[in-house]
Formats: sequence, structure tokens, C-alpha cells
Amino acid sequence: AQSVTQLDSHVSVSEGTPVLLRCNYSSSYSPSLFWYVQHPNKGLQLLLKYTSAATLVKGINGFEAEFKKSETSFHLTKPSAHMSDAAEYFCVVSDRGNQGGKLIFGQGTELSVKP
Amino acid sequence: GAGVSQSPSNKVTEKGKDVELRCDPISGHTALYWYRQSLGQGLEFLIYFQGNSAPDKSGLPSDRFSAERTGGSVSTLTIQRTQQEDSAVYLCASTADRGLGEQYFGPGTRLTVT
Repeated sequence: AQSVTQLDSHVSVSEGTPVLLRCNYSSSYSPSLFWYVQHPNKGLQLLLKYTSAATLVKGINGFEAEFKKSETSFHLTKPSAHMSDAAEYFCVVSDRGNQGGKLIFGQGTELSVKP
Repeated sequence: GAGVSQSPSNKVTEKGKDVELRCDPISGHTALYWYRQSLGQGLEFLIYFQGNSAPDKSGLPSDRFSAERTGGSVSTLTIQRTQQEDSAVYLCASTADRGLGEQYFGPGTRLTVT
């Protein structure tokens, strides 16, 4: 079965400092992994996705994530946080790996950015 | 182009009443998903339609929940005899490429059962 675990329910950083949101996954297939962001009272937006091409994936708004098979991790990073990055972030795995299927969501990490 | 749309955006209903939630996917997308987002359960899968195949109903929490997709486009999620624990945001997503591509989410319907 496929699953994801987000290791922190809440992360707080200062504006201009790096962001690290941690995610570990479990997948019976070659995994398809995603990070989605949800701003308050807004819909889910795809930040980036990994589908077995390059292990370092670049997304929107300066975010990137590195797929590490040996560590079963897919952590999300950004070199410098901006106030507008404050939101909830979800690490997601596809149920049937690179064959698509339903999405399985982590519990979410709420990112706060202090001025 | 137009994204995934859902209606109504908010719905307040009394316990025991039936509700219908509507999803209009992106035109041409063959796969359509329903998810539910609630405080206690996070984001969870409900049901999945792919083309003319039988839907994957494995995420429906009870037989009070049902969904249909007419003409391979619009989908309706129906909850019968609503309970307070059904209060949640119901999200719809669609994707092209037989479900292989990015899932695009609608804004959701916030359901409150009083």
C-alpha cells in the first residue's frame, strides 16, 4: 500500500530564511510524488511532481524537492521564505505509482512565516 | 481556459436531509475524483471515475454516499440522510491522460450539517 508521512504538523520560519518541509513515503510501485499547497480559503495548487525523471524537481515559486529512494524521502525546500509562502503544504503519493490513480495525502504541514 | 468548478460553494443543511454536490471537470478530462477534507480526517479519497470504466468507490464512507458521472463530464455526489460527521469540504479534481497527469482541483463545496 502507498502512504506518506509528513514529519512536522507545523513549521515556523523567519522571512528570508530557508524552508524545509519533511516527507517520507511508502510505495509498492515506482512512486509518483507531489507537493500541493493550500492557502487559506483557497483550493489546492500543485507545487511540483516527481515521476521518475530527474531526482531533483523544481516547482513554482522557488520551491524544489529531492527524491531520495534510499531514504524514502521527498522533502520540500526553498532557499528563502516569503510572507506569501504561509500556507498548508501536503505531500502526496499516487495510488498506482506512475500509472495514475487516486491521490493519498499526508496530514499536512502548516508553514508560518514571521516578518 | 476554465478550471474545475464546483457548486454550491457553501451548503448548510439540517441533519437527515439529502444533499447534492456538483462538479464540472475541465473539458476533455477523462478522469474525475472526489475527495473530502475534514478537520479530523485530513484529505481522503472518496470515489474515482475513469472514462467508461466502473467507478472506484472504495473510499465512500457509507452507503449514504453515492456519485454518478453523466456523459463522461459532470459529476454529482449525493449524500443521503446527512449526519453531522459529514460536515467537511468536498473537493473535486480532474485529469487527462487516463488519470496519469496532474490532478486539477476545484475550489470545493463546504458542507455544514446542523
